[in-house]
Amino acid sequence: DSGVTQTPKHLITATGQRVTLRCSPRSGDLSVYWYQQSLDQGLQFLIQYYNGEERAKGNILERFSAQQFPDLHSELNLSSLELGDSALYFCASSGSSGGEETQYFGPGTRLLVL
Amino acid sequence: GNSVTQMEGPVTLSEEAFLTINCTYTATGYPSLFWYVQYPGEGLQLLLKATKADDKGSNKGFEATYRKETTSFHLEKGSVQVSDSAVYFCALSLPSGTSYGKLTFGQGTILTVHP
Repeated sequence: DSGVTQTPKHLITATGQRVTLRCSPRSGDLSVYWYQQSLDQGLQFLIQYYNGEERAKGNILERFSAQQFPDLHSELNLSSLELGDSALYFCASSGSSGGEETQYFGPGTRLLVL
Repeated sequence: GNSVTQMEGPVTLSEEAFLTINCTYTATGYPSLFWYVQYPGEGLQLLLKATKADDKGSNKGFEATYRKETTSFHLEKGSVQVSDSAVYFCALSLPSGTSYGKLTFGQGTILTVHP
């Protein structure tokens, strides 16, 4: 158990809909990262937050947004969903132990867009 | 840009065989290097890491040495078990600059170990 929790575990929705994925980092970690894992793109970095502020952005679509709240949990919002958004979405956190560069991953949220 | 290339799988071995999964990288600067493992239906678990040249990371019988001269971080295990069957990802992160913090992953190598 990495100490990072993600909810929900599975999500099935329709095209055009909006969903919110939630992540709670390990106790004491200030950094939260979001990644997308799909068969065609592999593991892609989406976005990073540090203590509530956006720190880095990767291949994140404009239809996607994220935020980190004062209690350090983070949410990834995916809107106007398309079939191609079906993927496994991982959250990771770092900072309190193992160094800032060592990221610990949650179990992921599997999103299926029909 | 930064990138990680892993040997293509799948890799199929018998129990107690020797394992090598090759990983090479391209990076601007001096990255930290990682191996993550993903068991079926689960998230990624950190297997080992190395943060500077010639460092050796090791865990659960796996090891990898950070080779700056060959820009490599090959994963090895002397005797694999059926329970090692999983997908293995090599990854790098940079300690500074615009790419700071984010992990860049290889494509993953599927390992299957038969009894």
